[in-house]
Amino acid sequence: DTAVSQTPKYLVTQMGNDKSIKCEQNLGHDTMYWYKQDSKKFLKIMFSYNNKELIINETVPNRFSPKSPDKAHLNLHINSLELGDSAVYFCASSHSLFDTQYFGPGTRLTVL
Amino acid sequence: AQKITQTQPGMFVQEKEAVTLDCTYDTSDPSYGLFWYKQPSSGEMIFLIYQGSYDQQNATEGRYSLNFQKARKSANLVISASQLGDSAMYFCAMREVGTSGTYKYIFGTGTRLKVLA
Repeated sequence: DTAVSQTPKYLVTQMGNDKSIKCEQNLGHDTMYWYKQDSKKFLKIMFSYNNKELIINETVPNRFSPKSPDKAHLNLHINSLELGDSAVYFCASSHSLFDTQYFGPGTRLTVL
Repeated sequence: AQKITQTQPGMFVQEKEAVTLDCTYDTSDPSYGLFWYKQPSSGEMIFLIYQGSYDQQNATEGRYSLNFQKARKSANLVISASQLGDSAMYFCAMREVGTSGTYKYIFGTGTRLKVLA
């Protein structure tokens, strides 16, 4: 009965590769988010979707592309991975932008 | 300028005592929200408490309370009767309307709390 799930939990890959991280929520929420937490634990929002529509698109490289096939899913695709992309990526969801966000367990991405 | 400032990178508290984690914020949005999250060493992010800018009373959730001082733009988290399991990183966050008219969430740099037995 996991509320917000992410796969994979760990991802180790070479520079230049393309990878995807999947996120699913079974809370019936309308809004989903992607965050990046760097090695210093600083957490920064990357994207947010509301009812499959992109509503927050922070300044991130265009190598990062979110895709929301339906309200329950928000996937993150990263092209041409770089060393600086190594971080923990968190997916989150909330009923609306005004409501509390619930986070997934995180995906630790390591780029070698 | 920092939108969310947590000035205490690390703190210690004795078990069963209360502890206050500081958070100050900066926004010109009259309708904003303030959140506290806990991140244990296992890595997950756990929502603790929420305070809306128009809420008249301080938010409370069990042993957690938010000392909201609007004029000072501070939203300190108070944990009463600390437990060993409270040892974690604590993040203060704010929701406001961004320059593009959409909402955005901003997190502080966190405070690492260690509860001593």
